[in-house]
Amino acid sequence: AQSVTQLDSQVPVFEEAPVELRCNYSSSVSVYLFWYVQYPNQGLQLLLKYLSGSTLVESINGFEAEFNKSQTSFHLRKPSVHISDTAEYFCAVRDTGGYNKLIFGAGTRLAVHP
Amino acid sequence: SAVISQKPSRDICQRGTSLTIQCQVDSQVTMMFWYRQQPGQSLTLIATANQGSEATYESGFVIDKFPISRPNLTFSTLTVSNMSPEDSSIYLCSVYSRLAGGLDTQYFGPGTRLTVL
Repeated sequence: AQSVTQLDSQVPVFEEAPVELRCNYSSSVSVYLFWYVQYPNQGLQLLLKYLSGSTLVESINGFEAEFNKSQTSFHLRKPSVHISDTAEYFCAVRDTGGYNKLIFGAGTRLAVHP
Repeated sequence: SAVISQKPSRDICQRGTSLTIQCQVDSQVTMMFWYRQQPGQSLTLIATANQGSEATYESGFVIDKFPISRPNLTFSTLTVSNMSPEDSSIYLCSVYSRLAGGLDTQYFGPGTRLTVL
């Protein structure tokens, strides 16, 4: 069965520092990969996704993630974080083909400090 | 992307009662899902809401506890029955459609924050 591992439950970082949130998945088949963000007391928002093509995908607010098939990873990075990036980040995976369900990781809480 | 609304946004209920949560989408979608997010935890899929037929439940979830309706391609309800404090969670509606501009992407509603006393 599919599984997603987010290696860090919490990541504290100072403002303007770089950050990497790690995500690994277990699958030997083709997958779609997603990062969702949940700001305090809000619902989930899609941050970025990998469906096919370039292995590096970017979001509009400066985050990027790189799909690495050999390492089955989809780590999320940002070169300089803001206070407003404080949120819970969820990595999710879904098998391609058909209407397969999303499998979520446990989440990583990013806390940006001034 | 699809715009999803949920009602109510939050509620506080007494144990033993039931609550029905509504999910409305601004366009017709192929698939609708219901998720639960318990305090401090990740999302767990409860069931897939099928239009015109019974919902498909994940392991650990049953129809008697979480009856689901989906009368058309834009609307679904989830009922949390005979509630206990352990049902205190955020319940999220999610949609997926290959016909919409989302292309194999799932979008989530704002969630319903339920507290059971």
